[in-house]
Amino acid sequence: EVQVVESGGGLVQPGGSLRLSCAASGFTFSTYWMNWVRQVPGKGLVWVSRINSDGTSTTYADSVKGRFTISRDNAKNTVYLQMNSLRAEDTAVYYCAMIVSRTIDYWGQGTLVTVSS
Amino acid sequence: QPVLTQSSSASASLGSSVKLTCTLSSGHSSYIIAWHQQQPGKAPRYLMKVEGSGSYNKGRGVPDRFSGSSSGADRYLTISNLQSEDEADYYCETWDSNSGVFGGGTKLTVL
Repeated sequence: EVQVVESGGGLVQPGGSLRLSCAASGFTFSTYWMNWVRQVPGKGLVWVSRINSDGTSTTYADSVKGRFTISRDNAKNTVYLQMNSLRAEDTAVYYCAMIVSRTIDYWGQGTLVTVSS
Repeated sequence: QPVLTQSSSASASLGSSVKLTCTLSSGHSSYIIAWHQQQPGKAPRYLMKVEGSGSYNKGRGVPDRFSGSSSGADRYLTISNLQSEDEADYYCETWDSNSGVFGGGTKLTVL
């Protein structure tokens, strides 16, 4: 069974940093693209970043470009999101999501990031 | 970059059918989209992909009551024999230039 489990969320001050992790199991992790998607409570889904299967190509939403970095360790079946220079508007539930074929096929349960002083 | 447009809300009676629409912006009418369901307080769940041809491919365990179709730039999600657990937010998603795009979501109320 495919499982995608996020961790690393929490409370951080504006300007601070946080690293989210997403551990995957039940499939050949190194084959698939992975993504981060966020959702402000009560609002819609917003795509944040994606990384290709071997980690050589990444893309970001304009709102996080230059501040967030996505990476992966295929030996550990884990994808990461390093978030720097955090702002109040980055407060959201962050979901890890996997693409099998052309669009998202699997979602994690999410981890809440709160940026507040 | 494509834009996906969804109605903000829809409602239908228990046991009836409802058809939700996701409209692709001009120049992107051939794009594949995916539908995702988000029940209150839960993570999103993948439902199906819908091609411009109208063919659709559902995720594992998605009930037969859920189906997809397409007409021009519109992609549809039809839910038949509505159940109370179908009350949820429904999002469409597509991709362009290696970037993801979501529609604003439709809140479905089952009366």
